[in-house]
Amino acid sequence: KAGVTQTPRYLIKTRGQQVTLSCSPISGHRSVSWYQQTPGQGLQFLFEYFSETQRNKGNFPGRFSGRQFSNSRSEMNVSTLELGDSALYLCASRSGTGAYGYTFGSGTRLTVV
Amino acid sequence: KNEVEQSPQNLTAQEGEFITINCSYSVGISALHWLQQHPGGGIVSLFMLSSGKKKHGRLIATINIQEKHSSLHITASHPRDSAVYICAVGRISTDKLIFGTGTRLQVFP
Repeated sequence: KAGVTQTPRYLIKTRGQQVTLSCSPISGHRSVSWYQQTPGQGLQFLFEYFSETQRNKGNFPGRFSGRQFSNSRSEMNVSTLELGDSALYLCASRSGTGAYGYTFGSGTRLTVV
Repeated sequence: KNEVEQSPQNLTAQEGEFITINCSYSVGISALHWLQQHPGGGIVSLFMLSSGKKKHGRLIATINIQEKHSSLHITASHPRDSAVYICAVGRISTDKLIFGTGTRLQVFP
């Protein structure tokens, strides 16, 4: 079966712009979570959606937002981009919450110039 | 102090060697995950553990819940095992994943 699909793979944006990243989970998976990976901070949790509801949020400013659609696909939006937002953004899906395994996508590498 | 600590940070080995990567955590967890990340960024989930031991091919993962410690072992290491190995725990109070800083493994022929 198809894995977790993230689009686009690479993105270059200018400071001040906004960006939307997309994540299509494995069919049947209702949970989608987002992570930011930078060389300095490593992997950090952004938020998790389950059945269209945000159930968890990490310690990121309000410029980072997301949503989940009825087909479980999720989007993440970052407004007013800063140079420090340059990172690899990963999403993962799982079939439930709690002790369920995650399947990760290949990530979107965002560069802010 | 980080809630998830991994050691070592970097590891080099000769092909065929037995590898051990350690992970300690300080929070209550629902499960512990071992992840593998190759250059290019994609992450593969290797194991999810809430107790005991799991084996998949040459990889073995163990967890001691009382000691809040887990180990990932690679037997008969191979250059294709070269990657970053990341320990992550699902925090039982929030169900958020908390990550270790990763162990960069290089296996030379």
